[in-house]
Amino acid sequence: DQQVKQNSPSLSVQEGRISILNCDYTNSMFDYFLWYKKYPAEGPTFLISISSIKDKNEDGRFTVFLNKSAKHLSLHIVPSQPGDSAVYFCAASEPSGAGSYQLTFGKGTKLSVIP
Amino acid sequence: DGGITQSPKYLFRKEGQNVTLSCEQNLNHDAMYWYRQDPGQGLRLIYYSQIVNDFQKGDIAEGYSVSREKKESFPLTVTSAQKNPTAFYLCASSIGQGIGELFFGEGSRLTVL
Repeated sequence: DQQVKQNSPSLSVQEGRISILNCDYTNSMFDYFLWYKKYPAEGPTFLISISSIKDKNEDGRFTVFLNKSAKHLSLHIVPSQPGDSAVYFCAASEPSGAGSYQLTFGKGTKLSVIP
Repeated sequence: DGGITQSPKYLFRKEGQNVTLSCEQNLNHDAMYWYRQDPGQGLRLIYYSQIVNDFQKGDIAEGYSVSREKKESFPLTVTSAQKNPTAFYLCASSIGQGIGELFFGEGSRLTVL
């Protein structure tokens, strides 16, 4: 059973426009959420995160929004650039006992930014 | 430069052979992880280790083994018991096994012929 879902496998956006990547989760114990960016044949790199006590976190062109009641988060990229073309993974963290946490990843959304 | 080094980047092996993937980190992180990525799939956790000489199974540990004899090193062995070993393997580390970002290596692509 998938606890973190990215329902759009791919997304195409024109350069300069906004990219919105969505992520839904089912586990109400998740209390920290992260977005990772991954280029082909490379490891993912951390992009931005948000704690469950917040509803928005912004870092430059990247903003993550969290709607706890809907168990939904989204990543906004404005303006989108061709270099943003990559696979974006949503991840969620929950306590797993003895002060440790477990990270669960979604399947990813491939973003293509068209020049 | 601090980071995580995985080797080899590409590996081909015959069916039935055990394979060991190396992961070394110089970030002084306590926790280390192995993930597997398949096309159209997210990252699935194979094993993780919070401290030296201790590790736990993740979601898909069957057919894999690990060791954590040193803080810096967390090798993964893909055994012949793993039914579908061809995949992209990612090693990661974090300061502790807790909230916060994971730092990933560049990955190792294993192809079993």
